[in-house]
Amino acid sequence: VQLVQSGVEVKTPGASVKVSCMASGYTFNPLLGICWVRQAPGQGLEWLGWSSGDNTKTYRAQSVQGRATLTTDTSTNTAYMELTSLTSDDTAVYFCGREFCDAARCFGPDYWGQGTLVTVSS
Amino acid sequence: QSVLTQPPSVSAAPGQKVSISCSGSTSNIGNNHVTWYRQLPGTVPKLLIYENDKRPSDIPDRFSGSKSGTSATLVITGLQTGDEADYYCGTWDTSLSAGVFGTGTKVTVL
Repeated sequence: VQLVQSGVEVKTPGASVKVSCMASGYTFNPLLGICWVRQAPGQGLEWLGWSSGDNTKTYRAQSVQGRATLTTDTSTNTAYMELTSLTSDDTAVYFCGREFCDAARCFGPDYWGQGTLVTVSS
Repeated sequence: QSVLTQPPSVSAAPGQKVSISCSGSTSNIGNNHVTWYRQLPGTVPKLLIYENDKRPSDIPDRFSGSKSGTSATLVITGLQTGDEADYYCGTWDTSLSAGVFGTGTKVTVL
């Protein structure tokens, strides 16, 4: 299993960013999707959301509700996270992770991407 | 502001044992599985424990996890210098319908 993320992003406040996560070594399915976790400089891990492997279901943390769009392209086994209205508080390393979720809950990522640094600065 | 509380740091000498606690509530740990991750400086988090007490095949049995009520514990025995890292617990929060991580614990090998 391998998850490969897109490269470093530098954005100005108010802009949007779209990070990709290409998965290989396993087959996407409805319950085995991709989650997104971020880590601000010197801080802990923050779970942001999850999109199902068939792109029919998502979960999102309240901290990014209304600003984060999580999608899955099943034809390319690639997941995307788009975050809008960026502020300096969104400066962080963004990780994708493979995560199993059933109808009631998710079970934590088991494999992780290498991380994408997103810097928001004027 | 994380809903799962961990001690900021723990330390012990090489070969000794450390325990890391993760305290939550009935909406998270009390009714969901707990995972544990290790993050070496500047690297990607790595899964250590899943479903409260299960180890992936590449994780040595020096690492063990347990859960009781609304708390979970990670125990590392035979501490090695390579174990110096940040450790995070994680679980699902049913009230939030979201995943949550603990505040993180830095392990120092004296």
